[in-house]
Amino acid sequence: GAVVSQHPSRVICKSGTSVKIECRSLDFQATTMFWYRQFPKQSLMLMATSNEGSKATYEQGVEKDKFLINHASLTLSTLTVTSAHPEDSSFYICSVPALLDEQFFGPGTRLTVL
Amino acid sequence: GENVEQHPSTLSVQEGDSAVIKCTYSDSASNYFPWYKQELGKGPQLIIDIRSNVGEKKDQRIAVTLNKTAKHFSLHITETQPEDSAVYFCAATRGKGANNLFFGTGTRLTVIP
Repeated sequence: GAVVSQHPSRVICKSGTSVKIECRSLDFQATTMFWYRQFPKQSLMLMATSNEGSKATYEQGVEKDKFLINHASLTLSTLTVTSAHPEDSSFYICSVPALLDEQFFGPGTRLTVL
Repeated sequence: GENVEQHPSTLSVQEGDSAVIKCTYSDSASNYFPWYKQELGKGPQLIIDIRSNVGEKKDQRIAVTLNKTAKHFSLHITETQPEDSAVYFCAATRGKGANNLFFGTGTRLTVIP
């Protein structure tokens, strides 16, 4: 399946700062990538669909101005959490859809906002 | 939209025994049902999947069954090993063109040595 990396794996930041998370598809060109958020002991919730060369599609309740997504190339999507607050602390995971219906997930990024 | 329910939320089994996790879905248009294993601090790993044109699929100790009429699908792990301990998520999607995954709430499986 597709190999997906994320960087950084962990980040701690102060409240009010912005944090950028990168998602890379290492062996598969992806016109679409997905961003999920997972709170402790909970399931994954889809935040947005990242589209190469066009605007991202956000799920209901997700603030597009707070979670900026840039899909700059077929192998890279970035999620920027702007003006982060403690309630944004979570595990952020990206996924890449493969040839059929499969989705392959990155290792995740643990964000802690102090 | 799709609603996926998963049971049980926690499951403990003795090493060597079988484990069964069940999920139901609501959208009859869903046609692809993957299962993911997530270890602590890591991303979900696809372990097996099934499409709506198949009733059962097996891969070594892991099998998945699908009942389209009843809208439920199950994960079966036989001869469990301690390394099977993890959180397992089922998911459903309509597939290409609308391939947003809808996840179940997860099952924490503990295999007791």
